[in-house]
Amino acid sequence: ETGVTQSPTHLIKTRGQQVTLRCSSQSGHNTVSWYQQALGQGPQFIFQYYREEENGRGNFPPRFSGLQFPNYSSELNVNALELDDSALYLCASRDRLQYNEQFFGPGTRLTVL
Amino acid sequence: AQSVAQPEDQVNVAEGNPLTVKCTYSVSGNPYLFWYVQYPNRGLQFLLKYITGDNLVKGSYGFEAEFNKSQTSFHLKKPSALVSDSALYFCAVRVTGTDKLIFGTGTRLQVFP
Repeated sequence: ETGVTQSPTHLIKTRGQQVTLRCSSQSGHNTVSWYQQALGQGPQFIFQYYREEENGRGNFPPRFSGLQFPNYSSELNVNALELDDSALYLCASRDRLQYNEQFFGPGTRLTVL
Repeated sequence: AQSVAQPEDQVNVAEGNPLTVKCTYSVSGNPYLFWYVQYPNRGLQFLLKYITGDNLVKGSYGFEAEFNKSQTSFHLKKPSALVSDSALYFCAVRVTGTDKLIFGTGTRLQVFP
């Protein structure tokens, strides 16, 4: 186990709705990244948060947003859901000094109908 | 632009035989390379990494990987495959100066009894 947890495990939404996914990192891990893994694909980087600020973003539109909290938890919010948003969403966290030691959570499977 | 390629969608091997899962990369500067494994309905589990030093990297569960700079490859290997090794394997490169991992499309390893 990596010590990174995500909730919920599965989620079903309809097109146009909004969704919030949650991640709880290990204590002391103040850097968290979110990835989207579509079926049959490798994970794609969405963005990274460090000290509660966005600190890098992939090729995702602004309707993908996030929050990071002082208690090492974070959220991924997606507005105006589209069918193509159906995917496994993974969060990964690391200690601020361990650049090459990211720990992934089990993911949230989002289905958009 | 940095990228990784996994040329094989699936690799089949008999239990007890050696296995190789291929990965090639394209980066500017020194590469930071990783292998992750994903079991069904699970997140990504770290196997091993190459940052610098010895070209043969040893990782978890008996896996190792060989870094070859001239061929820009980072193939994953195991001397004797187990049925329990059957899973989806991802090669990734970290973008220098960020936490962003760029993943390959994955290779499904099937080990037959």
